Amino acid sequence: EVQLVESGGGLVQPGGSLRLSCGASGFTFSDHYMDWVRQAPGKGLEWVGRIRKKTNRYTTEYAASVKGRFTISRDDSRSSVHLQMNSLKTEDTAVYFCARVDDSSGYTLADWGQGTQVTVSS
Amino acid sequence: DIQMTQSPSSLSAFVGDRVTIGCRASQGIRNDLGWYQQKPGKAPKRLIYAASSLQSGVPSRFSGSGSGTEFTLTISSLQPEDFATYFCAQHNSYPVTFGPGTKVEIK
Repeated sequence: EVQLVESGGGLVQPGGSLRLSCGASGFTFSDHYMDWVRQAPGKGLEWVGRIRKKTNRYTTEYAASVKGRFTISRDDSRSSVHLQMNSLKTEDTAVYFCARVDDSSGYTLADWGQGTQVTVSS
Repeated sequence: DIQMTQSPSSLSAFVGDRVTIGCRASQGIRNDLGWYQQKPGKAPKRLIYAASSLQSGVPSRFSGSGSGTEFTLTISSLQPEDFATYFCAQHNSYPVTFGPGTKVEIK
């Protein structure tokens, strides 16, 4: 059974930093791209970014709203993916989900974690 | 960026009703579309990939169709556990973009 467990959320002041982590199990982590998606309170889903696998040189893609402030990294030896968030703004307040990308099905998001809450407020 | 719209934004239906949700992309995305179901306080769950392929374990009352810019999610006979919000998302080009969601409520 695939499991994705996010951690690291919390309350942070505007301009601050936070590092989210997502631990994975139940599949060969190194074979998959991984995404981060967020959901502001009462709002829809917003894609944050993606990290590809080793054979694709761990390259990344980001939404314009976070580019230059957020960085996605991964540690295949620990089956984990991370989201480093800097220069946080109040509009970054959201539940952050990590998701496994299924490249055999059009790169849709096959499995999701339960999410971790990030609140940016003074 | 490719914009995704959904219609309607919400609907009320009875158990047993046939329900159809539409999704439109601002430009052609072939069949690079997924449908996701989300219940309150829970993570989204993939229902459909490649516009019309049913995720393993998802009941066959769910089906997807379409290609290019127009897509549809159909629930052939609505069940109590289907009351949720449904999102489409295009996976054709970056950034991945989601529709605003369709909330399905009990009538």
